[in-house]
Amino acid sequence: GDSVTQMEGPVTLSEEAFLTINCTYTATGYPSLFWYVQYPGEGLQLLLKATKADDKGSNKGFEATYRKETTSFHLEKGSVQVSDSAVYFCAISGGGADGLTFGKGTHLIIQP
Amino acid sequence: GAVVSQHPSRVICKSGTSVKIECRSLDFQATTMFWYRQFPKQSLMLMATSNEGSKATYEQGVEKDKFLINHASLTLSTLTVTSAHPEDSSFYICSARDYGLGGAQYFGPGTRLLVL
Repeated sequence: GDSVTQMEGPVTLSEEAFLTINCTYTATGYPSLFWYVQYPGEGLQLLLKATKADDKGSNKGFEATYRKETTSFHLEKGSVQVSDSAVYFCAISGGGADGLTFGKGTHLIIQP
Repeated sequence: GAVVSQHPSRVICKSGTSVKIECRSLDFQATTMFWYRQFPKQSLMLMATSNEGSKATYEQGVEKDKFLINHASLTLSTLTVTSAHPEDSSFYICSARDYGLGGAQYFGPGTRLLVL
């Protein structure tokens, strides 16, 4: 079955540092790729997505590129802020009426 | 846009009782909704896919007689935990797929269930 592997946390960075959260996947077929974010006490929010190879999803300064050859969708941000502290989930969808397969989540802590 | 609500946000019940959780898409129609379960410090696990007007599709290992799903309209799906036990205590999250917005899923805020 499909699976998603993302780096374990917590990841602790200083404000304005460069962020990378790695995500790789295994899937049958051609999945769509997503990053979701869960702020403390809130539900999951879609951060960005990509639906085909070499697509780049971007939102709020975060970016991730669909790399089919390496089956990866790494999340990056050039300069993180304290307000970016949250849990980040990488997820894939097989399309159609499929539910999402999630990674375990990466807890990001940004210190001032 | 693309807002999904859940009610209640948290519920405490006695063992053996049933609890109903509602999931609503507020500004779009969702022919497909999903129910997930999230344990503390763990990822979300898909429980079932809820299709409007038809039976839900359950993931392997999820008891369909225990977790009853009804998707009676394009904006409402309900999950009923029947004869709840302490091991059913968890965070239940629904999502709705909006095909008009690229097929992404939008999540409700979740329902915290505690069974005593």
